[in-house]
Amino acid sequence: AQTVTQSQPEMSVQEAETVTLSCTYDTSESDYYLFWYKQPPSRQMILVIRQEAYKQQNATENRFSVNFQKAAKSFSLKISDSQLGDAAMYFCAYRRHNTDKLIFGTGTRLQVFP
Amino acid sequence: DTAVSQTPKYLVTQMGNDKSIKCEQNLGHDTMYWYKQDSKKFLKIMFSYNNKELIINETVPNRFSPKSPDKAHLNLHINSLELGDSAVYFCASSLRTGGYEQYFGPGTRLTVT
Repeated sequence: AQTVTQSQPEMSVQEAETVTLSCTYDTSESDYYLFWYKQPPSRQMILVIRQEAYKQQNATENRFSVNFQKAAKSFSLKISDSQLGDAAMYFCAYRRHNTDKLIFGTGTRLQVFP
Repeated sequence: DTAVSQTPKYLVTQMGNDKSIKCEQNLGHDTMYWYKQDSKKFLKIMFSYNNKELIINETVPNRFSPKSPDKAHLNLHINSLELGDSAVYFCASSLRTGGYEQYFGPGTRLTVT
């Protein structure tokens, strides 16, 4: 069975600094997708970034980028130039290709200090 | 315009009651989902429906029954509520089944006392 592990329950960063959130996963599949979702205090789940496993190039969305290491089954999220609005729970998630079942990690709470 | 909406946003009820949470999407999507987020923030899929047909049914007690009157709506009915049902329930939708991006609703916080 596929599992997603986020080993950092909480992280903190100073405004304008860079922070990296870790995620590892376990799967025997070769074709899958990985996601980072943000959940601010409003509870809304917001997709931050996604990575297709067949792509070697790391995904980037503005200040958000990932470090995807397929062999190591690692998928970390880097947030550059952190802003106060980045404070939220961040969830790593996995989905096997052509399926709908998203498997989430336990989340990392990110605090941003001014 | 809200893409995926849920009502109510908050629901407080007593053990043993029956309650429903409604979900509507105006994205024209074929597939809808229910997720449960427990007190430790762990998020897990419960059900998915594609064009009113049940696709995913995880190990969920029979007290939970999803109902899809049409492809834009997926309601969650819970019978004989228990303390352990307290959680945030998220509805989501995707264009169709087979691995499309899922759009989440704002969640419904259910508290069972």
